[in-house]
Amino acid sequence: DTEVTQTPKHLVMGMTNKKSLKCEQHMGHRAMYWYKQKAKKPPELMFVYSYEKLSINESVPSRFSPECPNSSLLNLHLHALQPEDSALYLCASSLTAHEYGGYTFGSGTRLTVV
Amino acid sequence: AQSVTQLDSQVPVFEEAPVELRCNYSSSVSVYLFWYVQYPNQGLQLLLKYLSGSTLVKGINGFEAEFNKSQTSFHLRKPSVHISDTAEYFCAVSEASGGYNKLIFGAGTRLAVHP
Repeated sequence: DTEVTQTPKHLVMGMTNKKSLKCEQHMGHRAMYWYKQKAKKPPELMFVYSYEKLSINESVPSRFSPECPNSSLLNLHLHALQPEDSALYLCASSLTAHEYGGYTFGSGTRLTVV
Repeated sequence: AQSVTQLDSQVPVFEEAPVELRCNYSSSVSVYLFWYVQYPNQGLQLLLKYLSGSTLVKGINGFEAEFNKSQTSFHLRKPSVHISDTAEYFCAVSEASGGYNKLIFGAGTRLAVHP
């Protein structure tokens, strides 16, 4: 298995809703990442998890709450989002967070906040 | 902090023509460079990477890139493009941060292949 799987593929949520994005990989990677990509922009790093511990938080608002329950799974919990949070949310993984070999990305969850 | 600059936001080209997508990086002692491709409504796929060794790097789908330290460039090339190569291409650099490495992307180049 050489994939990163993200669910759901599309999500529409209201500003008062609570929802979660899910990311799963079975490649034995010990680093997982959340990126946010606005339309026609490059991906921007949000969080880095290394060995299930949060290692980097790029000053992301608290309405985004990451969770790494085990080495294969990464969640992003969403609460009280704003319309400007609408974007493609990409999950990625790599063997470790210390290597330079590049990441494997999932197909993303396209989030629309109404 | 590391950075990459993609010099062209859009590159139109005819099918079967050669193409070059340009990328310059900020100078550093050690640099690790990548090209990713993103097809519409999809995630990113690694095309190729330069970590060390030979400056000419071959990737998937017939793409190659050349690492040029003196010009701080890592341009992506393909000798003959297909309609299916139409996509967004991102150059990226690996940056060390607090003992961890994170991938920093350029602004992207939209390659549009016309028949």
